[in-house]
Amino acid sequence: SAVISQKPSRDICQRGTSLTIQCQVDSQVTMMFWYRQQPGQSLTLIATANQGSEATYESGFVIDKFPISRPNLTFSTLTVSNMSPEDSSIYLCSVERTGGLYNEQFFGPGTRLTVL
Amino acid sequence: RKEVEQDPGPFNVPEGATVAFNCTYSNSASQSFFWYRQDCRKEPKLLMSVYSSGNEDGRFTAQLNRASQYISLLIRDSKLSDSATYLCVVNADSSYKLIFGSGTRLLVRP
Repeated sequence: SAVISQKPSRDICQRGTSLTIQCQVDSQVTMMFWYRQQPGQSLTLIATANQGSEATYESGFVIDKFPISRPNLTFSTLTVSNMSPEDSSIYLCSVERTGGLYNEQFFGPGTRLTVL
Repeated sequence: RKEVEQDPGPFNVPEGATVAFNCTYSNSASQSFFWYRQDCRKEPKLLMSVYSSGNEDGRFTAQLNRASQYISLLIRDSKLSDSATYLCVVNADSSYKLIFGSGTRLLVRP
């Protein structure tokens, strides 16, 4: 598995502001993903970030709200823009590694965001 | 209908018990299947991939029935440390996109 770190681990923000979350991996990976886990719910994919191309967003998520950067093969950022209390969630990045018959995904420790 | 359905539990079992979780998925094109474990306030961790032939890792056995679109996880000789939420995960349409079930909560009591 990969060693994945995220910064910040948690933050409390005021509505209307933006927060950028960083994800760092200990080795080069092609595909990185950003997920959201709202309180009491399971994970939902926000977007896929490949180096050298624009992120691909899932239905219900847009670039203006969640801009993503992927400047190299070990790093990505997700920005939560113009935050509202509904954005209070855990945000997780993950990377894909080839494992056995399937490609497997491994998750960072998450960023716990509270918007007041 | 949810794409991945699980019984939310909680399953409350004594130490040493055997417990089984089930999961159904709706997309017959799914090709990859996994069980993840998530502890409270932690990230999901891959427990095991699930293959058509079934696979076992110590006390954990996973099985896949493609015809019925059904996945199971069996935990034998439960330990207190097995207490967690178990997430059934499948990929969507043969792609990298993972669909997560809402999880089954397990509580193992002394």
